[in-house]
Amino acid sequence: SQTIHQWPATLVQPVGSPLSLECTVEGTSNPNLYWYRQAAGRGLQLLFYSVGIGQISSEVPQNLSASRPQDRQFILSSKKLLLSDSGFYLCAWSALAGSHEQFFGPGTRLTVL
Amino acid sequence: QKEVEQDPGPLSVPEGAIVSLNCTYSNSAFQYFMWYRQYSRKGPELLMYTYSSGNKEDGRFTAQVDKSSKYISLFIRDSQPSDSATYLCAMSLTNDYKLSFGAGTTVTVRA
Repeated sequence: SQTIHQWPATLVQPVGSPLSLECTVEGTSNPNLYWYRQAAGRGLQLLFYSVGIGQISSEVPQNLSASRPQDRQFILSSKKLLLSDSGFYLCAWSALAGSHEQFFGPGTRLTVL
Repeated sequence: QKEVEQDPGPLSVPEGAIVSLNCTYSNSAFQYFMWYRQYSRKGPELLMYTYSSGNKEDGRFTAQVDKSSKYISLFIRDSQPSDSATYLCAMSLTNDYKLSFGAGTTVTVRA
């Protein structure tokens, strides 16, 4: 069966510090991968998605970037965090061919102080 | 106007009641519809997945899609305290795997 991991689970970072969040998927090959941010009491905002290694599409211009160095690894980064980057970050995957279902990881709660 | 509208609630019901949740949408081209359940401080979990119009039932959960009205519903029968969570609707186009989400409805089932 497929499993999706995210780490760390919780992170507190000062303004201006760098960020690296990691997501890995097990049990599937060539997945589509997604990064979302969920602000308190709000829906999910798609940040980035990837259909293959090195292929990243950005949905919202902002202080973040994403990379996919391996087929089942997706990384969210920032060089300098802003207060507005605080939120709950979720990674998700879907099967590359034909499926619209997305499956989410446990999330990383980021607080920028 | 948001692409997907969902009443945030909160919704509080007694144990055993039927929970009724719904979303409306503006893009008539949406074809795939999903409901997710999200417990506090956890990732969303896929509950129901339907294509185009019609009903789908899975245990205590029933999903309905009315494309003519651009309206989708989720019903939870015999609700339990463990159903207390935020429920998110989501939908996508045929040739686009990105999902458009509602803001979520928070449900509390009282024992």
